[in-house]
Amino acid sequence: RKEVEQDPGPFNVPEGATVAFNCTYSNSASQSFFWYRQDCRKEPKLLMSVYSSGNEDGRFTAQLNRASQYISLLIRDSKLSDSATYLCVVSTGTASKLTFGTGTRLQVTL
Amino acid sequence: NAGVTQTPKFQVLKTGQSMTLQCAQDMNHEYMSWYRQDPGMGLRLIHYSVGAGITDQGEVPNGYNVSRSTTEDFPLRLLSAAPSQTSVYFCASRPIGPITYEQYFGPGTRLTVT
Repeated sequence: RKEVEQDPGPFNVPEGATVAFNCTYSNSASQSFFWYRQDCRKEPKLLMSVYSSGNEDGRFTAQLNRASQYISLLIRDSKLSDSATYLCVVSTGTASKLTFGTGTRLQVTL
Repeated sequence: NAGVTQTPKFQVLKTGQSMTLQCAQDMNHEYMSWYRQDPGMGLRLIHYSVGAGITDQGEVPNGYNVSRSTTEDFPLRLLSAAPSQTSVYFCASRPIGPITYEQYFGPGTRLTVT
C-alpha cells in the first residue's frame, strides 16, 4: 500500500463548479499535512497546510480526519487558473520527511 | 532572494557517464533535499540533509551521491548514469523548527539518459 494515495483524475469541471479531492495516508504517526499545487512542467508550491480543525483560504478549504487518516481539499467557484495538479503531502518521522502523493489533476474549462 | 536555484535546466547523458546536478539556496535553510519525479510515481526522496556535513538516504538513493559542505549548496552526483535515471529532478529546502515549515523547490532539472 502506498504511504499517500490520491485519485489521479483527471477531474474535468466547468468554471464556477465546486470540486473535492481526497487523500488517504497509511502512517498513523504522521505529524503534518499539506496540499501543494504543481503547474505543468513547473515545481510544486505550497497551497495550504491542513489542520485537524479544518482551515479555509479564500475559495479553498482543507480538512483532516486523523481517525480515518484522510485529508480533503475543496475548491469552490473554480477558475480556469485553478487547472493544475494537486499534491497531497504528509510529514512523518525524524527530520519530518515529506511523502508526496502522485497528485490529482484538475482541468477547469469554460 | 533567488530562492532555490538549480543548474542545468536540461541535460542529456549517455549511459555510463557521470555528472553533478547543482542546487543552491540563499534562505539559510537547514534542511535540503533531492527528489525525482516520474509519471505516475509522484515525487520520491533521493537524499536529504539537515545541515552542513550531515546527509542521509531517502527512498531511492541507489546510483546517487550527495554532500553538504556549506549551508547553501547541496549537489547531487550521478555516478554512472542509467536510462532508469531519466527523470525530472527537484531540489528543495526549508527551515527546521518545532513544526514542518513550507518547503521551497527549485525549477527542476530534466535529465535524459540514452
